[in-house]
Amino acid sequence: TQLLEQSPQFLSIQEGENLTVYCNSSSVFSSLQWYRQEPGEGPVLLVTVVTGGEVKKLKRLTFQFGDARKDSSLHITAAQPGDTGLYLCAGEPGNMDSSYKLIFGSGTRLLVRP
Amino acid sequence: EAQVTQNPRYLITVTGKKLTVTCSQNMNHEYMSWYRQDPGLGLRQIYYSMNVEVTDKGDVPEGYKVSRKEKRNFPLILESPSPNQTSLYFCASSFRQGENTGELFFGEGSRLTVL
Repeated sequence: TQLLEQSPQFLSIQEGENLTVYCNSSSVFSSLQWYRQEPGEGPVLLVTVVTGGEVKKLKRLTFQFGDARKDSSLHITAAQPGDTGLYLCAGEPGNMDSSYKLIFGSGTRLLVRP
Repeated sequence: EAQVTQNPRYLITVTGKKLTVTCSQNMNHEYMSWYRQDPGLGLRQIYYSMNVEVTDKGDVPEGYKVSRKEKRNFPLILESPSPNQTSLYFCASSFRQGENTGELFFGEGSRLTVL
């Protein structure tokens, strides 16, 4: 079974600080998605990375897919209270036997204090 | 408005009393899936469906049933709920892309407590 490990599990920072969340696996993924979930709601897709080494930016959020497509990171610059939430990475397995079985990491709960 | 609708949002029930959580999507998506979310465990897939009358087990299917008689609906059935099924449940759908799930659109969740 392919696993995705996220770190850290919890992060509490002051507004304006930078942070990085990691998503690691020993397995290769054909693509990787990042979602954000706010209390009382379902996760919402932020970005999908597909190519090894790919970097995507979404305002103050920078997403990177590892060269070997086994890991990914999310970097937030100058965090704001509105960034507070649960961040989830999710990988599409790279083998046919696991098609349509998106694998989720355990999540990183971020709190940005004003 | 494009959405995935789950009902009920909250439910408290007792062990052994059959219940159904409904899920409906209005985006004409082929792919639908059920997840449960537990603290520290992320989202775990229960069942998924690639199209009408096509369903398959996810990672934690024990104690659950599903059906896909219509494209828009994908109900989750707990025939005999037990306390270890107390959890937050999410239904999701996507316009699947080849062998990939694609972007998932989630419902707002159904919080189930089994006493």
